Amino acid sequence: EAQVTQNPRYLITVTGKKLTVTCSQNMNHEYMSWYRQDPGLGLRQIYYSMNVEVTDKGDVPEGYKVSRKEKRNFPLILESPSPNQTSLYFCASSLIFQETQYFGPGTRLLVL
Amino acid sequence: EDQVTQSPEALRLQEGESSSLNCSYTVSGLRGLFWYRQDPGKGPEFLFTLYSAGEEKEKERLKATLTKKESFLHITAPKPEDSATYLCAVQAGGGADGLTFGKGTHLIIQP
Repeated sequence: EAQVTQNPRYLITVTGKKLTVTCSQNMNHEYMSWYRQDPGLGLRQIYYSMNVEVTDKGDVPEGYKVSRKEKRNFPLILESPSPNQTSLYFCASSLIFQETQYFGPGTRLLVL
Repeated sequence: EDQVTQSPEALRLQEGESSSLNCSYTVSGLRGLFWYRQDPGKGPEFLFTLYSAGEEKEKERLKATLTKKESFLHITAPKPEDSATYLCAVQAGGGADGLTFGKGTHLIIQP
């Protein structure tokens, strides 16, 4: 089954404790992206990757890092999480840039 | 700056009562306009992509249309299972940015 998977689905952590949210797709897509969704603000792009070893900032990159060492994986790293990073995070992928994006199930993060 | 405005923010309909959701956009060179459906606690699910003014696409009770300034998602004879938040997004033709999303329309279909 073609899908985008994210882990963990739910995470509660404390300020400053480094964490990684994994994202994997099995569709051989080149383009991958991370979004956060907050009430009243909608979905906003954090980082994206056009292909392996090619990443760039989206609209709200502060406090986040990403890497793309393999085509299928695109982890999101929060090296020192803060409460304002409490949000619902989605990973998405598309075959190539600017084609239809397919979203993962989401990761709900609470930073205390 | 690309902007997407969806209206209404929320809509409550009776089962079978047809209506339309609006997505107005401002973008420099539209590459594509996307409609997604999102159920609570889940990721957006792709519905349609529209590329040029005048284009229409249909899927079951849903029909999406596109003009140069806005898109409509028409819902004909909706059922309770159509209840969800419907998201509109645009992709500009230039640059390498991702989708710019609207805030969505929360649709409730009452039996």
